[in-house]
Amino acid sequence: AQSVAQPEDQVNVAEGNPLTVKCTYSVSGNPYLFWYVQYPNRGLQFLLKYITGDNLVKGSYGFEAEFNKSQTSFHLKKPSALVSDSALYFCAVRGILGGFKTIFGAGTRLFVKA
Amino acid sequence: DTGVSQNPRHKITKRGQNVTFRCDPISEHNRLYWYRQTLGQGPEFLTYFQNEAQLEKSRLLSDRFSAERPKGSFSTLEIQRTEQGDSAMYLCASSVRDRGPVYEQYFGPGTRLTVT
Repeated sequence: AQSVAQPEDQVNVAEGNPLTVKCTYSVSGNPYLFWYVQYPNRGLQFLLKYITGDNLVKGSYGFEAEFNKSQTSFHLKKPSALVSDSALYFCAVRGILGGFKTIFGAGTRLFVKA
Repeated sequence: DTGVSQNPRHKITKRGQNVTFRCDPISEHNRLYWYRQTLGQGPEFLTYFQNEAQLEKSRLLSDRFSAERPKGSFSTLEIQRTEQGDSAMYLCASSVRDRGPVYEQYFGPGTRLTVT
């Protein structure tokens, strides 16, 4: 069965510091991995995806994510956090063998303090 | 690009009533998804359409739930005989096949259902 775990309910970071939001997954076969962000009173927005190739994927708003197959992880990172990055972040996975179903994690709330 | 729209944005209904939600995807998108999201959880997959064909349904989609996309454009999600456990945010998303094998989804603002 496919699953996604986001082990931290909340991440706190000071503005200007690097941030990491963790995600681990379990799928049959190779994974397609995604990060989405949800700002208050707005729909989910796509940030970035990993399909194949380079393990470091760059996305919107300066975010990047590193795919680690041996650790089955896809952590979201940003070198320098902004207060405006404060939002709810969701990791999602779709397995090549899993049909069209995309599984989302429970979400991690990021607070960036000025 | 007007984005994915959903109507109504909020619905309050009494237990046992039927409700129907509508989703209008981005116009050139042929793929459409429905999800349910409860507080503190990520979206849970309900069903997927490619054009007018419903290609996948979650076991979460009980007999009381039905979804249609009759002309391959807008979609409706109906819940019959609503129960309090159906209270949630219902999300619609659409996507189009890009040059690669996998595509991101564009989400609507959701319809918040409250069953009293």
